[in-house]
Amino acid sequence: EAQVTQNPRYLITVTGKKLTVTCSQNMNHEYMSWYRQDPGLGLRQIYYSMNVEVTDKGDVPEGYKVSRKEKRNFPLILESPSPNQTSLYFCASSSAGLTYEQYFGPGTRLTVT
Amino acid sequence: GQNIDQPTEMTATEGAIVQINCTYQTSGFNGLFWYQQHAGEAPTFLSYNVLDGLEEKGRFSSFLSRSKGYSYLLLKELQMKDSASYLCAVSPGSRKLIFGQGTELSVKP
Repeated sequence: EAQVTQNPRYLITVTGKKLTVTCSQNMNHEYMSWYRQDPGLGLRQIYYSMNVEVTDKGDVPEGYKVSRKEKRNFPLILESPSPNQTSLYFCASSSAGLTYEQYFGPGTRLTVT
Repeated sequence: GQNIDQPTEMTATEGAIVQINCTYQTSGFNGLFWYQQHAGEAPTFLSYNVLDGLEEKGRFSSFLSRSKGYSYLLLKELQMKDSASYLCAVSPGSRKLIFGQGTELSVKP
């Protein structure tokens, strides 16, 4: 089954404790992206990647890191999480085709206390 | 700056037609997308427009006017399961994607 998976689905952590949210897709997609979704603000793009070893900043990259060492994986790293990073995070992927319909993962709900 | 506007909430009756508008101002334009998101779930793709005009896909249609920075999503023969948030998103280029805040549609019997 074609899908985007994220782990963990739920995470409660404390300020300053480094964490990684994994994202993996099995569709051989070139493009992957991370978003956060907050009430009243909608979905905002954090980072995206056009292919292996190619990443670029979205609208809200501060406090986040990403890497793309393999085509299927695109982990999101929070080196020192803060309470304002409490949010719902989505990973998405798409092919390099013209319409680039994105397939979203199920989401990770992160709470930083 | 870059801005995408859509109504926050809309209510419609089962079996009716509803139009959700989206206006945008972006530094570039490489296509406009509509996504549907049910509560507690991930967004799912509905449509993509890059040229002016109407794209029809079953009960859903999407329209684009690039000169006016305007799009709408038309939902016909509304069903209860269409109650969801509808997200308008614009790609200004380089595979970036900017989303509007979403329109929460409630379909009532």
